[in-house]
Amino acid sequence: DAKTTQPPSMDCAEGRAANLPCNHSTISGNEYVYWYRQIHSQGPQYIIHGLKNNETNEMASLIITEDRKSSTLILPHATLRDTAVYYCIVRVADTGKLIFGQGTTLQVKP
Amino acid sequence: GAVVSQHPSRVICKSGTSVKIECRSLDFQATTMFWYRQFPKQSLMLMATSNEGSKATYEQGVEKDKFLINHASLTLSTLTVTSAHPEDSSFYICSASSLSGTSGGAYEQYFGPGTRLTVT
Repeated sequence: DAKTTQPPSMDCAEGRAANLPCNHSTISGNEYVYWYRQIHSQGPQYIIHGLKNNETNEMASLIITEDRKSSTLILPHATLRDTAVYYCIVRVADTGKLIFGQGTTLQVKP
Repeated sequence: GAVVSQHPSRVICKSGTSVKIECRSLDFQATTMFWYRQFPKQSLMLMATSNEGSKATYEQGVEKDKFLINHASLTLSTLTVTSAHPEDSSFYICSASSLSGTSGGAYEQYFGPGTRLTVT
């Protein structure tokens, strides 16, 4: 299973863009990159996913490098409610399993 | 996005008893459901994968006789913690997806709100 590496914590000022990096150097060609977040004592919330191309939805943008060995999740205008643990996950291609790493704790500060 | 519910949200039981946790997909048919466990200040740990109508596949180190999983319908999966002990106290989270675990394409996996189990 492809592993991901994320910084354990990050701070971001409210209203600014939050850029969360993720390394996944062993990703296979047919494996997708998924991002979820978990607010304290709740189930994870789906944010976005991608394969090769950059993706954008109402929550965030996902930038994947050309070699697919790393990606960045961008929250364009962070709010206090975006404070959470953000997980970058490579989805196991043949089983669909999501293997969670330790994630990045994002603290949005006023 | 799709909605997944869990019941109960919190449960306290005595050591040696069994506890059943339900996971329901409310607005879609879930061919595959996953069960996770999360200890305080730790990440989610996948326990097992269940496909509707099939036996669950357990991750290494998870006792299948202790954590009984049933996925009898496309909208309901249950996890029963048998003979619970204090070390089983944890946050149990289920997720559901609408495609079976194949490599064909991407799909979202939707998570329930979790069940806090406390064994006294």
